[in-house]
Amino acid sequence: EVQLVESGGGLVQPGRSLRLSCITSGFTFRDYPVTWVRQAPGKGLEWVSFVRNKAYGGTTEYAASVTGRFTISRDDSRSIAYLQMNSLKTEDTAMYYCVRGGYGEAFDYWGQGTLVTVSS
Amino acid sequence: QAVVTQEPSLTVSPGGTVTLTCVSNTGAVTSDQYPYWFQQKPGQAPMTLIHDTNHRHSWTPARFSGSLLGGKAALTLSGAQPEDEADYYCLLSYNGVRSWVFGGGTKLTVL
Repeated sequence: EVQLVESGGGLVQPGRSLRLSCITSGFTFRDYPVTWVRQAPGKGLEWVSFVRNKAYGGTTEYAASVTGRFTISRDDSRSIAYLQMNSLKTEDTAMYYCVRGGYGEAFDYWGQGTLVTVSS
Repeated sequence: QAVVTQEPSLTVSPGGTVTLTCVSNTGAVTSDQYPYWFQQKPGQAPMTLIHDTNHRHSWTPARFSGSLLGGKAALTLSGAQPEDEADYYCLLSYNGVRSWVFGGGTKLTVL
């Protein structure tokens, strides 16, 4: 069974950092890209970032709203994807979802999300 | 920055048919943008319904179908069920699949 489980969310002050993890199982992680999507409370979905699998160079892409502050990475040996979030702003408050897919492979499975609240 | 627009809300009668659309401000939506459709119910994570314009996942009911219609991506629901009441989001790729942009979502009421 394919599973993606996010963790690492919580309450953090503006300007601080947080690292989210997406722990996966049930599939060959190294063969798939991973995407992060967020949803502010009561709002729509927003694409954040994706990391390609090694076959496509393992390279990364970011939304303009997070470029220079967020870094996506992956550890194929542990089947985990990460989202390092620095210089957090109040507008980064959202539920963060990791999703299998995004480049070369279709988006299909979603995690249940982890809530990030940026507030003083 | 591309902007993707959907109908804010639509209503369909049980058993009826409704079409949701997805418009890009950069021009006609094409299959090279790999249009997606997602369903999200309150308090739940989104679920992928349609990928690459018109391909259902194994869990997607056959009453959902995707297409390109007059320069827009479209999701048609034929034979609406009460459990189809949800928010629906489209997603399009840009810049040679270097970025993705979601539509604002459509709140579908089955009434």
